[in-house]
Amino acid sequence: GENVEQHPSTLSVQEGDSAVIKCTYSDSASNYFPWYKQELGKRPQLIIDIRSNVGEKKDQRIAVTLNKTAKHFSLHITETQPEDSAVYFCAASDTGRRALTFGSGTRLQVQP
Amino acid sequence: NAGVMQNPRHLVRRRGQEARLRCSPMKGHSHVYWYRQLPEEGLKFMVYLQKENIIDESGMPKERFSAEFPKEGPSILRIQQVVRGDSAAYFCASCPVSTDTQYFGPGTRLTVL
Repeated sequence: GENVEQHPSTLSVQEGDSAVIKCTYSDSASNYFPWYKQELGKRPQLIIDIRSNVGEKKDQRIAVTLNKTAKHFSLHITETQPEDSAVYFCAASDTGRRALTFGSGTRLQVQP
Repeated sequence: NAGVMQNPRHLVRRRGQEARLRCSPMKGHSHVYWYRQLPEEGLKFMVYLQKENIIDESGMPKERFSAEFPKEGPSILRIQQVVRGDSAAYFCASCPVSTDTQYFGPGTRLTVL
């Protein structure tokens, strides 16, 4: 089955700096890669996703890149703000199976 | 359009009791997924259902756990004879038939005493 590795497990940045979180996946059949943000005690919220026919996608301060050959994808947050502090999860799935396999999460702390 | 609804939000059970968790998907969504999140860990897939059908239950323990999504009403995750290790947050997610995008409910936090 699919295995998703996520690094780093914790990340502390100064407000205004950029943050990068990286994930690798094992199953070459995976073709959908969402990122979720989870605040303490809350539901995971989709912040951005990318499909395998696209190499990069951007939404304001958030961008995701995908390298299918290397089987890795990354989340980039620019101009970080204290409200970006949360746990971020990457995930992968394929159109056939559809169930998401999640990474172990990255706790992002943005210092004001 | 209301989001994914789950109830109860918090559930306390004693060892050996049954827990029933409910999930109402977003309007127009016919696919439901259940995930379990242990404290300080990621989400683990349990089961994927469509109306009246279990599509994939590969992540669900073989014993004590069952799930259904009837033609009418919410999806239900049932845990029989709960043990302390079942204490976790249980999230359901739904998506429409046309995309992969899953939207999560607020979760049910199960505590087994």
